[in-house]
This record gives sequence, C-alpha cells and structure tokens, in this order.
Amino acid sequence: DAGVIQSPRHEVTEMGQEVTLRCKPISGHNSLFWYRQTMMRGLELLIYFNNNVPIDDSGMPEDRFSAKMPNASFSTLKIQPSEPRDSAVYFCASSWGSSGGLYEQYFGPGTRLTVT
Amino acid sequence: TQLLEQSPQFLSIQEGENLTVYCNSSSVFSSLQWYRQEPGEGPVLLVTVVTGGEVKKLKRLTFQFGDARKDSSLHITAAQTGDTGLYLCAGARGQNFVFGPGTRLSVLP
Repeated sequence: DAGVIQSPRHEVTEMGQEVTLRCKPISGHNSLFWYRQTMMRGLELLIYFNNNVPIDDSGMPEDRFSAKMPNASFSTLKIQPSEPRDSAVYFCASSWGSSGGLYEQYFGPGTRLTVT
Repeated sequence: TQLLEQSPQFLSIQEGENLTVYCNSSSVFSSLQWYRQEPGEGPVLLVTVVTGGEVKKLKRLTFQFGDARKDSSLHITAAQTGDTGLYLCAGARGQNFVFGPGTRLSVLP
C-alpha cells in the first residue's frame, strides 16, 4: 500500500489567496483526520471524518477553513482567504475503527504551507 | 493549557546511554499512544497502551501506562542515532486523540 498521500508537499502563497490541500487515505480506512503542526502549538486536530461524514470540527480555527470528504478515497482542506498565521505543516491521517474503538492512525508526509 | 504535558522538552544524549521521557496529565485516558516523528515526515505510531499499569516492550523501547491511566513513560535502552526524533504521546479523548507537545531527542554518535 502506498500509505496516505498528500499533495502538494509544499505550498507558498500570498496572503488572501485560496489554498487547497488534498489527501488520499489508505484504501479500506473509514476515518480521516486533518491536523496542523506548528512549533508554538504542536500538533492540533482540526477535523475528522468517519465514513465520509464530519464528526468533530471543533478544532477548525475559523470560517476561513473548510474541509470536505466527497468519497472514501479523497478529502480536501481549503483555506480562503489565507493569512500568514496559517503557515504550518498540515497532516492528513487515516485509520480503521468504529466509534469508541482504538484508532491506529497512519499519517501522510504533510503539506508545508507558507503564506507570505 | 496543555491537556498533556511531556518532559523533558529537549534531550541530547550520547549513543549507548539510557533515557526516559514522560507524558503526564490530570485527565484519565481510555488509552494512550506513542509516536515518533522524523524531520519532514509524519508521526509514526509506536505503541498503544490501554490498561492501567500495562507495560509493553518494542525491542529497546519500554512503554508503561500509569496505574491511574493519567501518565505514561517511554524508556529507551542503549540509544542509537536512529532513535533521534520527536516523540509524541497522544491520549484518547472521545473519538479522537489529543497530542502532547513532544520530546525532541537527539542521539549523538
């Protein structure tokens, strides 16, 4: 298996522009997680989906952030408009598990976003 | 305020030495995971501990879950340069996990 695939690996954009990050989870996994990692705040959960349905989006910073999972093999995280404080590494992770079960998360390589 | 605290924040040791890093919380977790993250990569799961007092061994790594399921430790015996990385603990909270800030370990040759 190729593991969790994220694209792009690096993104540099100007403040105000729209940014779309993409994730392909491991085939057969039914949960998908979006995280953001910075030196100051560490690894933060933004949102997670179970069977393509958003379960908890309480970590999404504000309305500028949105995430979709149109099918079991694809998810996007969109930032519109982007701001310099959004600069971070964004990780996607997938797992197989049911509600209340143990999740063994497999992380992608991340997208390093720089907003100037 | 961090739900999970990890100590030390940074650790630099010589190859062959032993070390222990800690993960502490005032909250009880149903399970706890340890991950290792190398530069430019995503975290990789090392172990999941579930039962209070549980001890798991993974080659030179020994993981322990506190009796009250509020804390955990990771002990590395005879550290190698390949052990260098960011060690993260994550506690189960509802249907997802909350991560600690990590311990950044450097093992020098």
